[in-house]
Amino acid sequence: GNSVTQMEGPVTLSEEAFLTINCTYTATGYPSLFWYVQYPGEGLQLLLKATKADDKGSNKGFEATYRKETTSFHLEKGSVQVSDSAVYFCAPLKNSGGSNYKLTFGKGTLLTVNP
Amino acid sequence: KAGVTQTPRYLIKTRGQQVTLSCSPISGHRSVSWYQQTPGQGLQFLFEYFSETQRNKGNFPGRFSGRQFSNSRSEMNVSTLELGDSALYLCASSFGTLLTDTQYFGPGTRLTVL
Repeated sequence: GNSVTQMEGPVTLSEEAFLTINCTYTATGYPSLFWYVQYPGEGLQLLLKATKADDKGSNKGFEATYRKETTSFHLEKGSVQVSDSAVYFCAPLKNSGGSNYKLTFGKGTLLTVNP
Repeated sequence: KAGVTQTPRYLIKTRGQQVTLSCSPISGHRSVSWYQQTPGQGLQFLFEYFSETQRNKGNFPGRFSGRQFSNSRSEMNVSTLELGDSALYLCASSFGTLLTDTQYFGPGTRLTVL
């Protein structure tokens, strides 16, 4: 099964609302955690990352903290804008055995922000 | 710098055929990874090539193969196409391997298998 569990959408918020998108992963073998974003009509792009436990990634007002004790990497933003409307993907980098690594993706959460 | 480019952007094939997709990384990047995106399974990692060697691999059957050339351009081949291979195929490049460096994604190739 999928080793990443991401909050299902769609999520619809009003401008300036607080955003949380939950992401949890299986317990071991994740050296780095990422959030990717896909804006309408554009390709995937990195939003932020964390490379060790308790590390906080941040970009464009978004934040996520690598919580080893709860195996979570929830994405938050204090005040969303219409331009934040996009699909967000949680993506832990997983060790799948020996020196083999792969980027695993959650299902994606569609966020729509209304003015 | 130009971004990651993928060709062709759209492709239609029939079951049993084979297909080759191409990816040109950002100039100077040595790693290319391939992903499959479908509505049912989401985004799944296929494999990564770094300096012409396959470094990391996902859980796809042997019908899916790839290679990388000395200029870091990469091709992905799918043989004996099945209906379920219809998907958006994304490639991503990075300077180092995906373990150490940020990946930059291309726009994808939309493959439809009839």
